[in-house]
Amino acid sequence: NAGVTQTPKFRVLKTGQSMTLLCAQDMNHEYMYWYRQDPGMGLRLIHYSVGEGTTAKGEVPDGYNVSRLKKQNFLLGLESAAPSQTSVYFCASSYPGLAGGPSTDTQYFGPGTRLTVL
Amino acid sequence: GQNIDQPTEMTATEGAIVQINCTYQTSGFNGLFWYQQHAGEAPTFLSYNVLDGLEEKGRFSSFLSRSKGYSYLLLKELQMKDSASYLCAVRTGAGSYQLTFGKGTKLSVIP
Repeated sequence: NAGVTQTPKFRVLKTGQSMTLLCAQDMNHEYMYWYRQDPGMGLRLIHYSVGEGTTAKGEVPDGYNVSRLKKQNFLLGLESAAPSQTSVYFCASSYPGLAGGPSTDTQYFGPGTRLTVL
Repeated sequence: GQNIDQPTEMTATEGAIVQINCTYQTSGFNGLFWYQQHAGEAPTFLSYNVLDGLEEKGRFSSFLSRSKGYSYLLLKELQMKDSASYLCAVRTGAGSYQLTFGKGTKLSVIP
């Protein structure tokens, strides 16, 4: 199993350009997440999905859009990149388990995408 | 709001024991996670506590006191490869997306 993979690993954009980050997981997890990590700050949740076809906003959603057309993929889009979006982006996935059943619902992270916006 | 505090940096000697503390003040509590993150890499899961007490897993142990809003991660027999950041995260509700991370503690292990 590859676990959680992310594409691309590095990217440099100019202000105003758009791009899509791809996250894929092969663990059959229901839940997927996009975080950003900035120096001196904890991981912050951008958007998340609790199942195919569903998405929801996290703590810092502005300037980003997401889609979950297939269970194994979660896409993060930047329509018009800004320097404030320079960051390391991590995707994660988890399995919530059956209702009332034992599950820590641990999140497993991908290797990250390092994005610089000039 | 949610507040999770950890020391920013710590240094310890190879072979020694180090304790990394985490205090939290959150609107709810449904479990506490510890992750390890090597520089330039993804966070990897270390431990999970939801009830008070100590969870031991090899050289690593994690302790939780819900009444005190306090947890620690104990690393024994430190190795150079343990140099990394250690992230404390609190799940504040029933949903797994309700996970708030601390800023992390950067541990440097010296010979």
